[in-house]
Amino acid sequence: DQQVKQNSPSLSVQEGRISILNCDYTNSMFDYFLWYKKYPAEGPTFLISISSIKDKNEDGRFTVFLNKSAKHLSLHIVPSQPGDSAVYFCAARERSNYKLTFGKGTLLTVNP
Amino acid sequence: DGGITQSPKYLFRKEGQNVTLSCEQNLNHDAMYWYRQDPGQGLRLIYYSQIVNDFQKGDIAEGYSVSREKKESFPLTVTSAQKNPTAFYLCASSIKGQIYGYTFGSGTRLTVV
Repeated sequence: DQQVKQNSPSLSVQEGRISILNCDYTNSMFDYFLWYKKYPAEGPTFLISISSIKDKNEDGRFTVFLNKSAKHLSLHIVPSQPGDSAVYFCAARERSNYKLTFGKGTLLTVNP
Repeated sequence: DGGITQSPKYLFRKEGQNVTLSCEQNLNHDAMYWYRQDPGQGLRLIYYSQIVNDFQKGDIAEGYSVSREKKESFPLTVTSAQKNPTAFYLCASSIKGQIYGYTFGSGTRLTVV
């Protein structure tokens, strides 16, 4: 039973355009949502997070939106750059035990 | 510099042999975790430990064992009972309750032949 779902395995965008990565969840006990970026053969690195009591968090080119009623969040990257090409994981933290549950990831390719 | 170190980066073993993956952190983090990454599967939790001498099974613990004798160290043993051990293994650590999530190591690619 997958509690965090990233339904798009891959996404391709042109440099300078907006990248939108989506994530859905099912567990109402999640209180924080995070996005990680991962390059091949490396560990994921933290990108941005959002608390369940907020609906938007912005950090430079990266913005995360949370729609709690729809149990949906999205990561917007504007403008997209070739260096953004990586796998992006959505993760959610459980309030009770602080464990992170990850989605399957979305491979973003930004074409020059 | 503080960080989390996994070694070795690449590991080859023959089928039927146990193998231990190392994970060491000097971040003074309370909690440590082991994840496995397979193509198209994302990151799946194997074991986690929130305090020394205590650990819990994650979603796919069968065929694996861990120990947490020191705060800095959380080795993972892949036993011969693990049916599909070839994968990329990631160790992570965190301050318990930290909102920014985990710090990950750079991973170990285990290939069983």
